[in-house]
Amino acid sequence: DAKTTQPPSMDCAEGRAANLPCNHSTISGNEYVYWYRQIHSQGPQYIIHGLKNNETNEMASLIITEDRKSSTLILPHATLRDTAVYYCIVKNFQTGANNLFFGTGTRLTVIP
Amino acid sequence: NAGVMQNPRHLVRRRGQEARLRCSPMKGHSHVYWYRQLPEEGLKFMVYLQKENIIDESGMPKERFSAEFPKEGPSILRIQQVVRGDSAAYFCASSPQRANYGYTFGSGTRLTVV
Repeated sequence: DAKTTQPPSMDCAEGRAANLPCNHSTISGNEYVYWYRQIHSQGPQYIIHGLKNNETNEMASLIITEDRKSSTLILPHATLRDTAVYYCIVKNFQTGANNLFFGTGTRLTVIP
Repeated sequence: NAGVMQNPRHLVRRRGQEARLRCSPMKGHSHVYWYRQLPEEGLKFMVYLQKENIIDESGMPKERFSAEFPKEGPSILRIQQVVRGDSAAYFCASSPQRANYGYTFGSGTRLTVV
């Protein structure tokens, strides 16, 4: 599975968009980009995933660059409840091992 | 549609005792994963099981730890002769056949060894 690099921490004002970057320069053609988050003391929560097209759901948007070497998770209107550690994971479940590797993630703090 | 259920939520054990952590996957999910999170650290994969089979235990400590997922009933993570260093949050996740859309995690069991 390709490695990912994320900034260790970010702040975002409440109500503003939170843009969380992730670099995955060694991503291969069949690997998807997954985002999870872990709110303090809770189990990780799936947010969104994508292969090469931009994706949007009720929680967030995922923008993947054309060369697929980086992506950005966008929380359009951050709330205090979005304060969490966000993990970017690159994975091909079809061929790789079935476990997810959680790195250190980005600790997002939403400020009132 | 209940999510992944883990119990107990909190477990206190004295050094040398056994700890049993239970995980009931989501309905229709036949794959279970256990992760451990030490204080102030990230989640580390421990073991991946399907019904009655251990598929990948590459993250399990070699001694004192075992896991099972019987045909009937929840998956069990068992830690024998617990030590203080076993104090952590243990999370279980489940997925359908192949986890193409990621998995669903439970709320975890927080084990404290005193």
